[in-house]
Order: sequence, then C-alpha cells, then structure tokens
Amino acid sequence: EAQVTQNPRYLITVTGKKLTVTCSQNMNHEYMSWYRQDPGLGLRQIYYSMNVEVTDKGDVPEGYKVSRKEKRNFPLILESPSPNQTSLYFCASSPPGRGTNNEQFFGPGTRLTVL
Amino acid sequence: GNSVTQMEGPVTLSEEAFLTINCTYTATGYPSLFWYVQYPGEGLQLLLKATKADDKGSNKGFEATYRKETTSFHLEKGSVQVSDSAVYFCALSSNTGFQKLVFGTGTRLLVSP
Repeated sequence: EAQVTQNPRYLITVTGKKLTVTCSQNMNHEYMSWYRQDPGLGLRQIYYSMNVEVTDKGDVPEGYKVSRKEKRNFPLILESPSPNQTSLYFCASSPPGRGTNNEQFFGPGTRLTVL
Repeated sequence: GNSVTQMEGPVTLSEEAFLTINCTYTATGYPSLFWYVQYPGEGLQLLLKATKADDKGSNKGFEATYRKETTSFHLEKGSVQVSDSAVYFCALSSNTGFQKLVFGTGTRLLVSP
C-alpha cells in the first residue's frame, strides 16, 4: 500500500530533550515536506526537500532541523524542544515534475507536547 | 505573497443540507487550487483540485470551480452526510515549479443526523 508513515504518533517530552520524528514514504517520491498544524493558523511549512541531500527552509524553520540521506526518509529533528513547538506535525510527499498539479500525500500526523 | 482565506467554522448542518465553504486566494500568476479533507485522527487527503481558470474539480459529490475573476474556489455539496464531518482545507500551489502548498486555516464541518 502506497503510504507515508510517521513515528511516533504521539509524544510527550520536556523542554530541551532532543527528539526526532521519523517520516518514510514508499512511493519513490522526490519531494518531501514537513508542516505543523496549529489552531487558527492552518498548516505551515517547516522544511522541504526536493531530492536526496537537497533541503531548504519553509515558512517556520526556527528550532527545527531535517536531513535527507535517502529518498524515502525525511526525519524532523528538534535539538532543544520548547513549549512553543507543541503542535501537530505532518510529513508529506509528492512525485517529481513541475509541481502545480501534483497531489501531496500526507502522513497520519505526530502530536507533540513539550512540557 | 500567496495566501488563502477560508470562512471561519465550525459549520453545523443537518444531514442532507446544502454545503458551501468559502475560499478566496491571493496569488501571483496562475496557481493551482486544492481542497484537502482531514477526518478525525487522520492526515490530510486530497478531495479535489483545479489547475486553471474555469476548471471544476469534483469528487465524492463535492465540487469547486476555479474563478479567476473573483479569486475564489468555494467548496459545495448538494446533500451532506454525517460521514462528511471533518476539517476542510483550501490550498494553493504556485506555478513556479516549487511544490509548496499554502493552506487556509481550515473549516470544521459538523453534520448531525
């Protein structure tokens, strides 16, 4: 089954404790992206990757890091989480080509709480 | 920059009622427009899309028409069901080749029997 998977689905942590949220897709997509969803703000892009070893900042990158060592994986790293990073996080992927028509496929989400 | 504005929710309807969720956008050039749906506890799924002016996207009884003159992409359904209860997001993607989606804030739809 074609899908985007994220782990963990739920995480409660404390301020300053480094964490990684994994994202993996099995559709051989080149483009991957991370979003955060907050009430009243919709989804905002954190980072994206056009291909292996090619990453760039989205609209709200502060406090996050990413890497793209393999095509299928795109982990989101919080080196020193803070309470304002409490949010619902989504990973997404889409196939190559000029992207205006391309559907993005979303993972199930990771709900992160930073105390 | 590009932006999307959606009507505030929640929208509360009885089963079989007519649904409209308004969406307007601001963008340079000719963006593609999307409606995504998020069911409780799940990720977003593409509901429908339109890639040029006057295109109509449709799926599962939902429709939206790309209106360039009014910069709108309103979502409609003639008869909603309880199973349509979800959060609906309007989004656009620019024509620059970069696959970034810009989302509206989402509209929660609650359908009662």
